[in-house]
Amino acid sequence: GAGVSQTPSNKVTEKGKYVELRCDPISGHTALYWYRQSLGQGPEFLIYFQGTGAADDSGLPNDRFFAVRPEGSVSTLKIQRTERGDSAVYLCASSPNTDREEAFFGQGTRLTVV
Amino acid sequence: DAKTTQPPSMDCAEGRAANLPCNHSTISGNEYVYWYRQIHSQGPQYIIHGLKNNETNEMASLIITQDRKSSTLILPHATLRDTAVYYCIVRVGHDYKLSFGAGTTVTVRA
Repeated sequence: GAGVSQTPSNKVTEKGKYVELRCDPISGHTALYWYRQSLGQGPEFLIYFQGTGAADDSGLPNDRFFAVRPEGSVSTLKIQRTERGDSAVYLCASSPNTDREEAFFGQGTRLTVV
Repeated sequence: DAKTTQPPSMDCAEGRAANLPCNHSTISGNEYVYWYRQIHSQGPQYIIHGLKNNETNEMASLIITQDRKSSTLILPHATLRDTAVYYCIVRVGHDYKLSFGAGTTVTVRA
């Protein structure tokens, strides 16, 4: 596919469980971003990768959240000990670089913690 | 610390132009104005961006006032598929973050 792919599209998990959300960016895009969108609100920045390294993780809400991008392509957002407040749509985006380039977003993963 | 102000909602008739306003009175000289939209159950989609000059592409036109304190996104011939939340964002040229506000919910009616 030509766009950003996120899997799964929906995830229901029990409170306290561990989840992983996957993002496949557009091939060749060096910049990758994760955002979180709660119902009725705009997306909020979580973390930004340039290549393999997390250049800015200031948006991660707490240490239960972690993200990796080991080979500079696919990224995984990991959430430990999930809480009901973690329920949201998690969006991934990629761009060729950061300098005024548009970001291409995936469809998102809807996470529901019950 | 929202940098932009947009009306919460607006309606538009199909086939007519939709003019979406955005106020950004504290914009700095090195900040660009970006517009994204988000159709229901999809991720945000880039529309257009500009610094000082008016811009046009296949999707829309962006009109920025001379003092750069406000701008208008114009959808020239709105269709039902343009129904979405439209976000106006100011962003420093080298900044990677997009700070989305609440946006404007645009409903195009037949």
